[in-house]
Amino acid sequence: RKEVEQDPGPFNVPEGATVAFNCTYSNSASQSFFWYRQDCRKEPKLLMSVYSSGNEDGRFTAQLNRASQYISLLIRDSKLSDSATYLCVVGPYFNKFYFGSGTKLNVKP
Amino acid sequence: DVKVTQSSRYLVKRTGEKVFLECVQDMDHENMFWYRQDPGLGLRLIYFSYDVKMKEKGDIPEGYSVSREKKERFSLILESASTNQTSMYLCASSPSPSDYNQPQHFGDGTRLSIL
Repeated sequence: RKEVEQDPGPFNVPEGATVAFNCTYSNSASQSFFWYRQDCRKEPKLLMSVYSSGNEDGRFTAQLNRASQYISLLIRDSKLSDSATYLCVVGPYFNKFYFGSGTKLNVKP
Repeated sequence: DVKVTQSSRYLVKRTGEKVFLECVQDMDHENMFWYRQDPGLGLRLIYFSYDVKMKEKGDIPEGYSVSREKKERFSLILESASTNQTSMYLCASSPSPSDYNQPQHFGDGTRLSIL
């Protein structure tokens, strides 16, 4: 079983839509959670950390559900520029972090 | 801003060659990581280091070695390159093993092709 799992998508949504991704993790001792964004043929870039109480950054909201062992990312009012692959990251396990394979988002005009 | 610099964006090498990928960070981070990324497989950890001259195997260390002689520099070595090592290689750094709430910062990546 993978440490971190994501639906690969793609999620195809119109501009202005609200879209949500989940990411499940297997190790209940996980302490740190992040969402990264990766554009085609580019490096991953930090989008936001995920805090226990949930957190928001503009149109983006991240939440953690420890009981069910998943994190989520909600994007409101989608823009064309939000089209990318979104990676979740969970850890640490002996100083290592595990990346999901990513969920691809396509925002259409 | 954290700057992680990888020595090459694109690299083409031949089977059997010894290949060096270099990574430098400018934020005095203790942790440095090497990943490879392949379609459908996501990022997989090859090696990481949490201090000078220290190294730990990741999930796929076979066929690779690393060197960390200085805090800011972490090198990945393909001892004898093979075609299945064709991939995107990403270097990352983060502050400290004890400060696990700090995210990793990535370099631009090196697209390595082994012919």
